[in-house]
Amino acid sequence: NAGVTQTPKFQVLKTGQSMTLQCAQDMNHEYMSWYRQDPGMGLRLIHYSVGAGITDQGEVPNGYNVSRSTTEDFPLRLLSAAPSQTSVYFCASTPGGSAVNQPQHFGDGTRLSIL
Amino acid sequence: DQQVKQNSPSLSVQEGRISILNCDYTNSMFDYFLWYKKYPAEGPTFLISISSIKDKNEDGRFTVFLNKSAKHLSLHIVPSQPGDSAVYFCAASARGGGADGLTFGKGTHLIIQP
Repeated sequence: NAGVTQTPKFQVLKTGQSMTLQCAQDMNHEYMSWYRQDPGMGLRLIHYSVGAGITDQGEVPNGYNVSRSTTEDFPLRLLSAAPSQTSVYFCASTPGGSAVNQPQHFGDGTRLSIL
Repeated sequence: DQQVKQNSPSLSVQEGRISILNCDYTNSMFDYFLWYKKYPAEGPTFLISISSIKDKNEDGRFTVFLNKSAKHLSLHIVPSQPGDSAVYFCAASARGGGADGLTFGKGTHLIIQP
């Protein structure tokens, strides 16, 4: 099983460039989330979605956009990259719906550097 | 303000002994708690969880204890093995199913000494 797949694994951008981090899951999970992890920090929630067409902001949403047009995909967009967005980004999914108390499953991350 | 705190950035334990990792939280609305293990260059891997209606959950060598009155949970690993060397994150959710994501601590780097 592929689980949660993130692409690309690594990316270097220049300040002001835009890009989309891809996230796909093949487990038919309703809930999906994006986190960032900075050195010495835990994971912080950027945006989350409880189903297709529904998204909401997490703890650190500024500078990022998301959309959820299908159950499987949850892309994260950086509109104008800034050095402060240099981080490791993780996507996660969990069943949702009537399945309570289920863990989130994470992808292997995208390592993003903004010069 | 950190809602989930792991006050030990690192912990060194001898192989075969017990490893005890601690976590404190401040949000009384948290009702589901999880421990994740993370190796370098990989995503977090789910280890064990506990609902707020329980005070203990066991899975093989791993046991999680929850003390709601103290807002404290701990992860016990017995016996500790070299492969347990990793960063361990404590996480919490205020809506059981994690609909609005998880709140993480900063992690504890566990080092198992041979």
